[in-house]
Amino acid sequence: DAGVTQSPTHLIKTRGQQVTLRCSPKSGHDTVSWYQQALGQGPQFIFQYYEEEERQRGNFPDRFSGHQFPNYSSELNVNALLLGDSALYLCASSLGPSGSSYEQYFGPGTRLTVT
Amino acid sequence: RKEVEQDPGPFNVPEGATVAFNCTYSNSASQSFFWYRQDCRKEPKLLMSVYSSGNEDGRFTAQLNRASQYISLLIRDSKLSDSATYLCVVGFTGGGNKLTFGTGTQLKVEL
Repeated sequence: DAGVTQSPTHLIKTRGQQVTLRCSPKSGHDTVSWYQQALGQGPQFIFQYYEEEERQRGNFPDRFSGHQFPNYSSELNVNALLLGDSALYLCASSLGPSGSSYEQYFGPGTRLTVT
Repeated sequence: RKEVEQDPGPFNVPEGATVAFNCTYSNSASQSFFWYRQDCRKEPKLLMSVYSSGNEDGRFTAQLNRASQYISLLIRDSKLSDSATYLCVVGFTGGGNKLTFGTGTQLKVEL
């Protein structure tokens, strides 16, 4: 039973560039959430996708956008990268946006460094 | 005020000790509660869900007090392998299922 997978594992970008991160949810899950974790902080909710639509969004600017595909996989796009965007980006999957257990399972993350 | 507050630690304890972590949350409409464990430079992993009736999983016991908006985690007979950061997490379903994390409490279990 495959868990949540993310690619790439590491990425180095320059200020102003754009980046796309990818996530495949755990088998049987249909909902994907994205989080940003800065060093020494807990993960911060970016947004959640279900049925190919953004269902909920945290306090992140429009530079952060996403997409969910029919096979439930998802992408996170960040435009006009800033130094402050350097962080670990985590994808979490769950069954339904308001599943009875609400439990979310995380992928290994993509570590983004902006120089 | 942060939505989820935890003592950042670190908690340095000897092997075999009992250690307790506390957490408070500000949104009284929160509906789900968890403890996650995160090892250095790894992803958070679900340790246990937390229920009002309290729940236990081996050496780990979690409690929730909705009236006080307070969550706790007790680790008994701590092992070296318990060394990690423990994240208090609160869920709210407002059209989705958003998890709000505390900053985490670092635990170091020593010989």
